[in-house]
Amino acid sequence: DAEITQSPRHKITETGRQVTLACHQTWNHNNMFWYRQDLGHGLRLIHYSYGVHDTNKGEVSDGYSVSRSNTEDLPLTLESAASSQTSVYFCASSWGGRGETQYFGPGTRLLVL
Amino acid sequence: QKEVEQDPGPLSVPEGAIVSLNCTYSNSAFQYFMWYRQYSRKGPELLMYTYSSGNKEDGRFTAQVDKSSKYISLFIRDSQPSDSATYLCAMRGGQGGSEKLVFGKGTKLTVNP
Repeated sequence: DAEITQSPRHKITETGRQVTLACHQTWNHNNMFWYRQDLGHGLRLIHYSYGVHDTNKGEVSDGYSVSRSNTEDLPLTLESAASSQTSVYFCASSWGGRGETQYFGPGTRLLVL
Repeated sequence: QKEVEQDPGPLSVPEGAIVSLNCTYSNSAFQYFMWYRQYSRKGPELLMYTYSSGNKEDGRFTAQVDKSSKYISLFIRDSQPSDSATYLCAMRGGQGGSEKLVFGKGTKLTVNP
């Protein structure tokens, strides 16, 4: 069955380290999105991509980067992890176009010490 | 004013109760309206999807959209303990509009046996 997966599911890192979170989908969806979810803030969009080699900033993009080299993957990199980036991160994908909605991965819990 | 407002609750009801969850929004360009259900420590899963105004029913769940009032609702009939979760409303623009979803912050629902 087609699906969207995230790895690792849990990660502990130290302040200042570079961290990469993986997202892989097998639906062949054009669009992919990264969100973070925090108490009191709900889901906030970090970066998104509408296709290979396309990337765009969301509302909370500072300190994060993405690159899209194929349809299936959109890795999220924290350039220099900060304690404020402790959060739950969700990847989502959609086919795109009229009527389409997003499907979410299981999430990655990141703790920055 | 936030684009999407959702009462965070928490909401606690007895089993069998009718539950009403609501969101208001300010952007008249929104055409597609969704409700996601998120169980604890899981990713959001699409529950209901509605285009423009009107009602949609799926089993015990009914989604209503009133574009004139910029108000959407989700009703759960005969609520069950398995309905205990956080419910997120989400919406996006119409054809040619943004692929990005705008989310409410979520309402946490507990159904007590």
